Amino acid sequence: DGGITQSPKYLFRKEGQNVTLSCEQNLNHDAMYWYRQDPGQGLRLIYYSQIVNDFQKGDIAEGYSVSREKKESFPLTVTSAQKNPTAFYLCASSEGLAGPYEQYFGPGTRLTVT
Amino acid sequence: EDKVVQSPLSLVVHEGDTVTLNCSYEVTNFRSLLWYKQEKKAPTFLFMLTSSGIEKKSGRLSSILDKKELFSILNITATQTGDSAIYLCAVILFGNEKLTFGTGTRLTIIP
Repeated sequence: DGGITQSPKYLFRKEGQNVTLSCEQNLNHDAMYWYRQDPGQGLRLIYYSQIVNDFQKGDIAEGYSVSREKKESFPLTVTSAQKNPTAFYLCASSEGLAGPYEQYFGPGTRLTVT
Repeated sequence: EDKVVQSPLSLVVHEGDTVTLNCSYEVTNFRSLLWYKQEKKAPTFLFMLTSSGIEKKSGRLSSILDKKELFSILNITATQTGDSAIYLCAVILFGNEKLTFGTGTRLTIIP
């Protein structure tokens, strides 16, 4: 049963703490992406990776970090430097590289920081 | 700066009506345009459009791209309450695989 999983579904943290959101895919996709969704602003790209051990900043990378040590996994860390971390975070993957390919999305993680 | 604009932002219609959602873009190196439907969580893929004037169709949904005027429309005929969702438009540029999204259109179908 192929797909993208994100965990946890809901996450609550205190201000000043780093938090890591998980994203795993078993679609054998090369490319993976992280988006942030706020009400009325659509999806904004945080980071993306087109190959293992390589990733690029998206439009709003400040205060976030990622790693891509395995093809299947692309975790996102929301650091204490991110000024407004409360949001809905979506991970996606696509076949990548030679595209264009549609992106498939995970179910998302809703992060609340107080 | 690359820009994708969707209109209207919000639309409320009665079941059975036909709706047209709009997506215009101002980007460099346009490659393709994608439509997604987002009901509660993960956006689900609807269409990818790369060539002008060729209609893509899936059931009651259809979409077409105009690369000269830089826009796309998504039509939904005989709407049902299950069509209530946010519809997202995004573009892919040549040179990378990242999507630039519009803000979405929130469609509500009243029974």
